[in-house]
Amino acid sequence: QSALTQPASVSGSPGQSITISCTGTSSDVGGYNYVSWYQQHPGKAPKLMIYEVSNRPSGVSNRFSGSKSGNTASLTISGLQAEDEADYYCSSYTSSSTRIFGTGTKVTVL
Amino acid sequence: EVQLVESGGGLVQPGGSLRLSCAASGFTFSSYSMNWVRQAPGKGLEWVSYISSSSSTIYYADSVKGRFTISRDNAKNSLYLQMNSLRDEDTAVYYCARDFGVVIHDYWGQGTLVTVSS
Repeated sequence: QSALTQPASVSGSPGQSITISCTGTSSDVGGYNYVSWYQQHPGKAPKLMIYEVSNRPSGVSNRFSGSKSGNTASLTISGLQAEDEADYYCSSYTSSSTRIFGTGTKVTVL
Repeated sequence: EVQLVESGGGLVQPGGSLRLSCAASGFTFSSYSMNWVRQAPGKGLEWVSYISSSSSTIYYADSVKGRFTISRDNAKNSLYLQMNSLRDEDTAVYYCARDFGVVIHDYWGQGTLVTVSS
């Protein structure tokens, strides 16, 4: 199964909002509300930012929000800060009961 | 404090075998499903395998099915990944990750590097 499709890079200035898309199929993203988002800084382990499409774990800033429409999920970062510069990955449950990650998006704060 | 510590990585020749371990602490290991996720150098994350809390349910990515075996020992608070018939493309940092729910990997280890090369 191919990875979910994300833009390779997204950039924004401090204080701006950016949105990262994650496109799959009806067999994964579109079929279940089991989409998560992870942030990964260089050389570090991934960190859970959003789960079940739009829920934030305790401790994650409310500047991070998630949504889904059809086969595409989205992560929005509002009030962009320098510390948000990282790689972001979406992940989804699939109809085969497996899990699949997105291709990853590098966020750059200008 | 939840901790996951992977070990067992290293250099192995193509066709060889390696067994990774993940030592868990700070939570009731036997109550949680676990996963292995890998990341090739400079590449994205790839889910590898899932095992339920009682080992009754196991899934693998197509890329490793038939070559890798996930297992756990709840008495030892440990997760394992037996990797056989290793290929160059299996070179990656391997992470173990706890499942808080479906696709909710809430805690990750620091990773262990596996290099497959002659």
